Amino acid sequence: DGGITQSPKYLFRKEGQNVTLSCEQNLNHDAMYWYRQDPGQGLRLIYYSQIVNDFQKGDIAEGYSVSREKKESFPLTVTSAQKNPTAFYLCASSLGHRGYQPQHFGDGTRLSIL
Amino acid sequence: EDQVTQSPEALRLQEGESSSLNCSYTVSGLRGLFWYRQDPGKGPEFLFTLYSAGEEKEKERLKATLTKKESFLHITAPKPEDSATYLCAVYMEYGNKLVFGAGTILRVKS
Repeated sequence: DGGITQSPKYLFRKEGQNVTLSCEQNLNHDAMYWYRQDPGQGLRLIYYSQIVNDFQKGDIAEGYSVSREKKESFPLTVTSAQKNPTAFYLCASSLGHRGYQPQHFGDGTRLSIL
Repeated sequence: EDQVTQSPEALRLQEGESSSLNCSYTVSGLRGLFWYRQDPGKGPEFLFTLYSAGEEKEKERLKATLTKKESFLHITAPKPEDSATYLCAVYMEYGNKLVFGAGTILRVKS
């Protein structure tokens, strides 16, 4: 079945540590996205990528980094510079980066501070 | 400021009691409005896309409508399995991004 796989499902970060969240898709989608979801707030865009080896900052990119070396993969690193990393992180993909195509989501990674 | 507001924040219905969820927006350059369903601990599941005022889409007990300022998600004769958070998102061509509302938590009791 085609879809988006995020791992791990739960992740704990120690003070000063960088952690990397995995996102893999087999939908052959060009565009991929990372969102952060906090209780009572809408999803907020962290980074997005329209094609391999290219990515753009979203609304809350500070303290995060990404790479896009393969079409299928778009990992997110939460760096020690992100002072409030506790949240539910969602990866999405779409056929193209235009509004006409819906984004499809993985099942998320919940990140907590130890 | 571009905003998407969903109401109510939470809604409790009895099984079979029809109702509507609202998504109002103040974005410029609307190019599409999306409805998603999200179960606890899961990612959002795509339901509908609406592109222009007057458009309607239906799926089982759900029907989405769009005007120039808002969208409604009508739920007819809901069942307990319709319990979830329903998210609305608006695509703005300016900025080329989706703006999400905070969602409506729906609980349907049998």
